[in-house]
Amino acid sequence: ETGVTQTPRHLVMGMTNKKSLKCEQHLGHNAMYWYKQSAKKPLELMFVYNFKEQTENNSVPSRFSPECPNSSHLFLHLHTLQPEDSALYLCASSQDPTGEAGELFFGEGSRLTVL
Amino acid sequence: GQNIDQPTEMTATEGAIVQINCTYQTSGFNGLFWYQQHAGEAPTFLSYNVLDGLEEKGRFSSFLSRSKGYSYLLLKELQMKDSASYLCAALDSNYQLIWGAGTKLIIKP
Repeated sequence: ETGVTQTPRHLVMGMTNKKSLKCEQHLGHNAMYWYKQSAKKPLELMFVYNFKEQTENNSVPSRFSPECPNSSHLFLHLHTLQPEDSALYLCASSQDPTGEAGELFFGEGSRLTVL
Repeated sequence: GQNIDQPTEMTATEGAIVQINCTYQTSGFNGLFWYQQHAGEAPTFLSYNVLDGLEEKGRFSSFLSRSKGYSYLLLKELQMKDSASYLCAALDSNYQLIWGAGTKLIIKP
């Protein structure tokens, strides 16, 4: 099994749907992250979990709801999204968030389209 | 505010050398990362610099000047597979990563 796995790879949903993105890491890391990647924009950090505890929530709208049941799994629950939420959602993990050990290992991403 | 600047797009020729620049303005500084991202794939780690100077890893080298808030990624003997986006990110005093928008590198035969 590869390092960080995300499912689904592609998701199309209407604005009234509820869906979830899943991330699993097999690296034994302690920190997990959700990032949003839009074309020609910097990566936007959404949420950080360190030892299963949420340590960052960068003013993300409540229509995005993270869940971290254990240090290997991370979910992003989606409901009543807007078309501007269409983007690539990247999950990442790191041994710890500081210094070189903060090197991030990314999943392939979930490409989300909101109609 | 905190900011990272890097060129949007660069073009280079197979076999040549290219330098991708990155300037940063952050509240404190705990190092600078370069990542490579091929289209449709995950970003992958290339380098981390926290001290001034040049770090070499095979065909890729990364340079940092803390006093100038400046870094560059140097790619030698370019290959077609080097066509990708290169992301620069600085770690601030709170160990938050500040990301640039990425430089799309196009390699021509």
